[in-house]
This record gives sequence, structure tokens and C-alpha cells, in this order.
Amino acid sequence: NAGVTQTPKFQVLKTGQSMTLQCAQDMNHEYMSWYRQDPGMGLRLIHYSVGAGITDQGEVPNGYNVSRSTTEDFPLRLLSAAPSQTSVYFCASSYEGAGNTIYFGEGSWLTVV
Amino acid sequence: GESVGLHLPTLSVQEGDNSIINCAYSNSASDYFIWYKQESGKGPQFIIDIRSNMDKRQGQRVTVLLNKTVKHLSLQIAATQPGDSAVYFCAEIPYGGTSYGKLTFGQGTILTVHP
Repeated sequence: NAGVTQTPKFQVLKTGQSMTLQCAQDMNHEYMSWYRQDPGMGLRLIHYSVGAGITDQGEVPNGYNVSRSTTEDFPLRLLSAAPSQTSVYFCASSYEGAGNTIYFGEGSWLTVV
Repeated sequence: GESVGLHLPTLSVQEGDNSIINCAYSNSASDYFIWYKQESGKGPQFIIDIRSNMDKRQGQRVTVLLNKTVKHLSLQIAATQPGDSAVYFCAEIPYGGTSYGKLTFGQGTILTVHP
């Protein structure tokens, strides 16, 4: 299996544009989450989901929307991009019984100009 | 503030030395603590975890120590190798025993291993 797959890898947006970062996992994991990582900092939780149809906010949810219509997919939407959203975005998945093993994607580099 | 976040602590060691990376945490109610390794351009990679009712746990070449009195966590890497060069983060999981994918990350430390 491919694990956690994020697309696109790199994206440049203009202020005010919208876009969706895609995340898919083929491991049938219940839990999925989105983090952002700013230069020199640890990851901060944006939104997370404990199953299809269920989402909740993390530490920094403003400016982002998510939905979880299937177990496999957890897209992150930027409705009106701002320069402050320039960051690296990581999607992650895990499952009940995995303990603390959380699988991260390779990241999506987003620049808002 | 933002300027503090841009200057990660750094640790430089020689190949073969032992490395100790430290982390201070803030939430006394955290149930698990995890160490992650992040190489340039990649996502975090799980190294080892420890539950709050333990003070030491050993893995392959790594040991995690937890001091709840001073809210301090450390990662010891034995016989450090150039491939260990990366940024190391500690992360906390709130009490409840499962993360649901929710982690609170610390700032990170840059480890550089010289051959």
C-alpha cells in the first residue's frame, strides 16, 4: 500500500485564491488529521477526524475547512488564501489500537504571495 | 514569539558519540510523550514513546527519560551516526490513552552528526 499520500507537493497561490490540499490513505485508518509546520517550529494541529462524517477543530483551524466523506480521504480547503498560510502542511493517519504510531504524509509546501 | 521559533536549539556531535536531546513540556495531564525524527523535506517519523507512569523506556540505540517533577523529557541516542542527523521533536498526547491523531509538538532540536 502507498500509506498517506498528499497532493500537490508544491503550490503557489495568490492572496484570496482558494485551493484544496488532498490527502488519501489506503490503510483503512479511522483517524486522520492535518498539521501545519512553520519555519523552525513544530507541527500544529489544524483539524482532525475520528471517522467518516466526523471532524473537529485543532489548535489553528481559522481559514481552513475540512470534510470526511470517506474513510480514505481528508481534504483541507483554504477558502481565501493569506500570506500567513504560507507553510508546510502534513496529513497524518492512525487507528484505534495503533498506540501512538501515527503515519505522516510527505508534506505539501504552500506559498501564498 | 516568532523570532524564538526561527532559532531552533542545535546539537553537534561526532560520529560514535552519545547524544542527548532535551524537551520541556507544559501539560501535566499528558498521557504519552513521543519523540519524532524529521529529515529535511520529509514528514515526522516515530522513534519512541513513553507513558506518563514510566520514567524510562529503551529502544534500539535510543532511550527516553521522563522527569514529571520538572516536566522534562530527554532522548538519548547511543553511538550516533551521520544518518541520525535531523530535527528531533517531542510531542504530547492528552490523557485518555489514544491520540486520535492529535499531538502537541514541541519546538524541535537540530542534531548534526559529523563523520
